[in-house]
Amino acid sequence: DQQVKQNSPSLSVQEGRISILNCDYTNSMFDYFLWYKKYPAEGPTFLISISSIKDKNEDGRFTVFLNKSAKHLSLHIVPSQPGDSAVYFCAARGMGGSNYKLTFGKGTLLTVNP
Amino acid sequence: GAGVSQSPSNKVTEKGKDVELRCDPISGHTALYWYRQSLGQGLEFLIYFQGNSAPDKSGLPSDRFSAERTGGSVSTLTIQRTQQEDSAVYLCASSLGQFETQYFGPGTRLLVL
Repeated sequence: DQQVKQNSPSLSVQEGRISILNCDYTNSMFDYFLWYKKYPAEGPTFLISISSIKDKNEDGRFTVFLNKSAKHLSLHIVPSQPGDSAVYFCAARGMGGSNYKLTFGKGTLLTVNP
Repeated sequence: GAGVSQSPSNKVTEKGKDVELRCDPISGHTALYWYRQSLGQGLEFLIYFQGNSAPDKSGLPSDRFSAERTGGSVSTLTIQRTQQEDSAVYLCASSLGQFETQYFGPGTRLLVL
């Protein structure tokens, strides 16, 4: 039973345009969400996060939006660059005693074409 | 500064053999985690250490899997009597504390033939 779902295995975008990566979750106990980026043969790198008390967090070209009622979050990259081509993982963390544990989606492969 | 390092980067073994995977966390990070990524899957939590203690081993798939951490630093994940379904990328992460951002190592790619 997947608690964090990234329904698009891949996304292709033109350089300079917006990339939108989506993530849905089912566990209402999740209260903190993260995006990680992963290049081949490297470990995931933390990108941006958002707490459930917010609905938006922005860091440079990256913005994460959270819709708690829909249990949906999205990562916007504007403008997209070829160096952004990577697998993007959505992750969630719960409240309470196991709040160290990250639950990951399967990832979305983003390709930004020059 | 140095990030999380893992060794070996690749490991090929025969079914039934034991393997040991090593993780060197970022210096000063008290929390350490092991995850596994099987082909086409997301990262799956295995175990969490706070200092040398493992308060949560719930993600270990079977009793063939064990892990230890010594000196509040290096951790070893051991898989006994490996099976083909153990083939995956094993990732280690560390964080300053349990609420802090987790930083990942490059992983160990394990292939069991």
